[in-house]
Amino acid sequence: GAGVSQSPSNKVTEKGKDVELRCDPISGHTALYWYRQSLGQGLEFLIYFQGNSAPDKSGLPSDRFSAERTGGSVSTLTIQRTQQEDSAVYLCASSLVFGRATYEQYFGPGTRLTVT
Amino acid sequence: SQKIEQNSEALNIQEGKTATLTCNYTNYSPAYLQWYRQDPGRGPVFLLLIRENEKEKRKERLKVTFDTTLKQSLFHITASQPADSATYLCALVLQTSYDKVIFGPGTSLSVIP
Repeated sequence: GAGVSQSPSNKVTEKGKDVELRCDPISGHTALYWYRQSLGQGLEFLIYFQGNSAPDKSGLPSDRFSAERTGGSVSTLTIQRTQQEDSAVYLCASSLVFGRATYEQYFGPGTRLTVT
Repeated sequence: SQKIEQNSEALNIQEGKTATLTCNYTNYSPAYLQWYRQDPGRGPVFLLLIRENEKEKRKERLKVTFDTTLKQSLFHITASQPADSATYLCALVLQTSYDKVIFGPGTSLSVIP
């Protein structure tokens, strides 16, 4: 079946512009996560969705970052007034969640964002 | 402060040998620990999960141990192959109101033919 997809795969933008990154999770997965990975670094948690709500936004680096999820499916991560330090690979993951059981996360291929 | 550490140096081993990767954590109380593999330009892929009350878990050539007293997990790949070359990430799963996953920085493994 289809995995997690993300678009665009690459995005080059000028400093100060806004960008939107999209994530299509696996059908039926209620949990959705956004991470950021800078070159040679580990994954930095940004935000988590359960259904359409985001109970944990603690990882968003600044108020320039926002995310939404509609219909319990597609999610968009928006970065306003991009800065060069926003350059990174943005990864989306989805998983099944039942109660407090843990299921593995399925990751998309990522969006490589370059701010010039 | 809270932190997760993995082998700081890249690991190079000869084909056929056992690779052992380390994950240490401080000031976390994970319910679970996961290991993922990440290839260049790709997202991480889940490999194994081990619960806090489990000492060891195996899957084919992979073995994971979890010592909550030492706050350490060891990840072993036996009979390593060049195709095992990748970055391996450990991840702590904290059960809050949901499963919050905290990733380590990763260890780069190269298996030399």
